[in-house]
Amino acid sequence: DVKVTQSSRYLVKRTGEKVFLECVQDMDHENMFWYRQDPGLGLRLIYFSYDVKMKEKGDIPEGYSVSREKKERFSLILESASTNQTSMYLCASRLQGAKTEAFFGQGTRLTVV
Amino acid sequence: GDSVTQMEGPVTLSEEAFLTINCTYTATGYPSLFWYVQYPGEGLQLLLKATKADDKGSNKGFEATYRKETTSFHLEKGSVQVSDSAVYFCALSDRVGKLIFGQGTELSVKP
Repeated sequence: DVKVTQSSRYLVKRTGEKVFLECVQDMDHENMFWYRQDPGLGLRLIYFSYDVKMKEKGDIPEGYSVSREKKERFSLILESASTNQTSMYLCASRLQGAKTEAFFGQGTRLTVV
Repeated sequence: GDSVTQMEGPVTLSEEAFLTINCTYTATGYPSLFWYVQYPGEGLQLLLKATKADDKGSNKGFEATYRKETTSFHLEKGSVQVSDSAVYFCALSDRVGKLIFGQGTELSVKP
């Protein structure tokens, strides 16, 4: 079974902190994604990586950056956390190609206080 | 840019009722289309997909047909069960592989 693992289920951070959310997949997938999920807004794409060290901005990249140094790991970085970044963050991965299924992690519920 | 629009929820149905959840998209080219489902307390999982015009995706009694002329991919099920209660997401994948989701539609099925 494909496994996408996010490092934490729940996180509480203070405003202004630098926050790292980690995601690891075990199926050699080329594509990896970070989304945030908010009620009424669905899943909004933050960043997309189509290969190691390659990334593309999604719809809401402001306040976030990403790192993909190894194929299996995709990190989301909040440079200076703010309360409006309190949300559920979802990581996904899939094989290269528009037709392939994406596999999701369980999500990280981040609260910024 | 590309986008997906779903009908707003929540949708509440009685068991064995007919379900339709509308989904329309805007995209350049010919995207692949997906429905994902999120059961309470679980992660998202693929429900069905269609990769070209007039394709019908189906799984677990759910169906959706890729309609290029109306840019739609509506989800249907003839007889819903309580266990179908979940949030349903319509999504498209563009030619470079970016996966874009709609707002999600919450379905609640009452016995």
